[in-house]
Amino acid sequence: EVQLLESGGGLVQPGESLRLSCAASGFIFTNYAMSWVRQAPGKGLECVSVISASGGSANYADSVKGRFIISRDKSKNTLYLQMNSLRAEDTAVYYCAKHRDRTGQTEGDFWGQGTLVTVSS
Amino acid sequence: DIQLTQSPSFLSASVGDGVTITCRASQDVSSFLAWYQQKPGKAPKLLIYGASSLQSGVPSRFSGSGSGTEFTLTISSLQPEDFATYYCQQVNNYPLTFGGGTKVEIK
Repeated sequence: EVQLLESGGGLVQPGESLRLSCAASGFIFTNYAMSWVRQAPGKGLECVSVISASGGSANYADSVKGRFIISRDKSKNTLYLQMNSLRAEDTAVYYCAKHRDRTGQTEGDFWGQGTLVTVSS
Repeated sequence: DIQLTQSPSFLSASVGDGVTITCRASQDVSSFLAWYQQKPGKAPKLLIYGASSLQSGVPSRFSGSGSGTEFTLTISSLQPEDFATYYCQQVNNYPLTFGGGTKVEIK
């Protein structure tokens, strides 16, 4: 059974950093692209970042480019999102998602339960 | 970036009704379009990929069609568990983008 378990969310002040983790199990982690998708309170979905199965390529939304870094550790079957210079508008539930194949240009077929990040002074 | 416009943004319907949601893309995305269902407090669930392929385990009352810039999600006979918000997503170009959502509520 595919499982994705996010952690690392919390309350931080503007300008601070946070690292999210997503522990994956139930599938061959190195065979699938992964992504982080966020949802601000009462709003729609935004794909923040996508990483290929190999980890060799990554893509970012313009809203986070230069501030967020996606990475993956195949030895730990874990996806990460390093978030720097956080802003109030980064406040959201962050979901990790497994893609349907190796490339990022596919749909997310399994999603974690999400972790809440709140940026406020 | 490719913009996706969903319509309507809200619809009210009864159990047993058939409903159709439209997603229009600002440029050609071929058939690289997906549909998701999201219930309050829950993660999105993939319903349709490749514009018209039903994800495993999804009831056959859900169907998708379209290509290029215009797509539809149809629910043939609404069930109580179908009342939720539905999103389209294009995966043809980075950044991957979502539509604004369509909330389906009980009449």
